[in-house]
Amino acid sequence: EVQLVESGGTLVQPGGSLRLSCTASGFRFSAYGMQWVRQVAGRGLEWVSSIGDGYTDYLVSLKDRFTISRENAENSLYLQMNSLRVEDTGVYFCGRVVHTNYGPHIDLWGRGTQVTVSS
Amino acid sequence: DIQLTQSPSFLSASVGDRVTITCRASQGISYSLAWYQHKPGKAPELLIFTASTLQSGVPSRFGGRGAGTEFILTINNLQPEDYATYYCQQVKSSPFTFGGGTKVEIK
Repeated sequence: EVQLVESGGTLVQPGGSLRLSCTASGFRFSAYGMQWVRQVAGRGLEWVSSIGDGYTDYLVSLKDRFTISRENAENSLYLQMNSLRVEDTGVYFCGRVVHTNYGPHIDLWGRGTQVTVSS
Repeated sequence: DIQLTQSPSFLSASVGDRVTITCRASQGISYSLAWYQHKPGKAPELLIFTASTLQSGVPSRFGGRGAGTEFILTINNLQPEDYATYYCQQVKSSPFTFGGGTKVEIK
């Protein structure tokens, strides 16, 4: 089955760190760019980061704290999140990216993993 | 950054209705727009990309049109499984911003 499954979300204290994982199955993971998108309370969906062939990209406000990476041999995507803040609380989704002449869109999403930052 | 304004943010409709959702961009984005459907606790699903191309497997009652700064998602003959929140996303330039969402509820 073609799917993405996120994991690693949990309750963490402000200032703490967390690494999210996204495991892909059913398709050639290495052939696709990937993204992280989050749904934060009261703010809808927010693009977080992208990784592709030789590049990474971040929401500017997160660039100093979040790091995206991937391990193709393990069909896995990661998001390392440091210095977490209460406002980072939300559901984090990973997505498979398809490029067209008009830009990259996500054609496959995971169900998300809940991150809660609270003392 | 490119801002997307979706309207309405909430709508109530009956099964069989035609529903129209608008997404306006703060600057021209050509056809660089996607529409997604999201139900609570589930993975979002791609409906439309490049403004008007229907994703494989999506029912033909969904349609998208527009270019530049104004885009429309139409759902004809609304079905019970269509009750969800719909988001537009611009993919013209990073950061790839989303609209605020339109929640479609049963009337």
